[in-house]
Amino acid sequence: QKEVEQDPGPLSVPEGAIVSLNCTYSNSAFQYFMWYRQYSRKGPELLMYTYSSGNKEDGRFTAQVDKSSKYISLFIRDSQPSDSATYLCAMSAQRKIIFGTGTRLQVFP
Amino acid sequence: DTAVSQTPKYLVTQMGNDKSIKCEQNLGHDTMYWYKQDSKKFLKIMFSYNNKELIINETVPNRFSPKSPDKAHLNLHINSLELGDSAVYFCASSLQGFRYTEAFFGQGTRLTVV
Repeated sequence: QKEVEQDPGPLSVPEGAIVSLNCTYSNSAFQYFMWYRQYSRKGPELLMYTYSSGNKEDGRFTAQVDKSSKYISLFIRDSQPSDSATYLCAMSAQRKIIFGTGTRLQVFP
Repeated sequence: DTAVSQTPKYLVTQMGNDKSIKCEQNLGHDTMYWYKQDSKKFLKIMFSYNNKELIINETVPNRFSPKSPDKAHLNLHINSLELGDSAVYFCASSLQGFRYTEAFFGQGTRLTVV
């Protein structure tokens, strides 16, 4: 079993839709939870991070962490074609950042 | 000003060859990483150096040898390349500290072994 599980998709939604991306994990030592966005043929870029359980909002993006269920989510409101990318969840502990497999999202006009 | 730069961007080589990928960061970070991303986009950590000291060495064949001449550079040398080594290799850097650290990634090196 991988330490971090993420549905690879692809996920295809119309412009304006609400998108929900999720990850589960098994290592309870993880403390920092991140979402990275990776455009085609580019390196991943940090989108948001949260520490421990709770919610964090940044514009159209909301990150949620539920440590009791070992479950994290990223919500994208009013999705745009420019949001089309691969979204990778990531978690860190013990000086290591572990990534999920990434979910490919396509937002069509 | 590129924060994390790696060269080359593309590398096509024959099985059995030895090749190197170079990485440099100008962010003043003290920790650098090598990740391998396979065709299914899974990003797997290979190595991590903190202040030139190897701190993470995942289960990676001995053919892969990282070298960190200083805090700003982390190179990856691969001996006797195999078909299965074909992937995108990403260098990243971060600032280790008491709190959360964000990793900044380079553009990747697309390695194709033929």
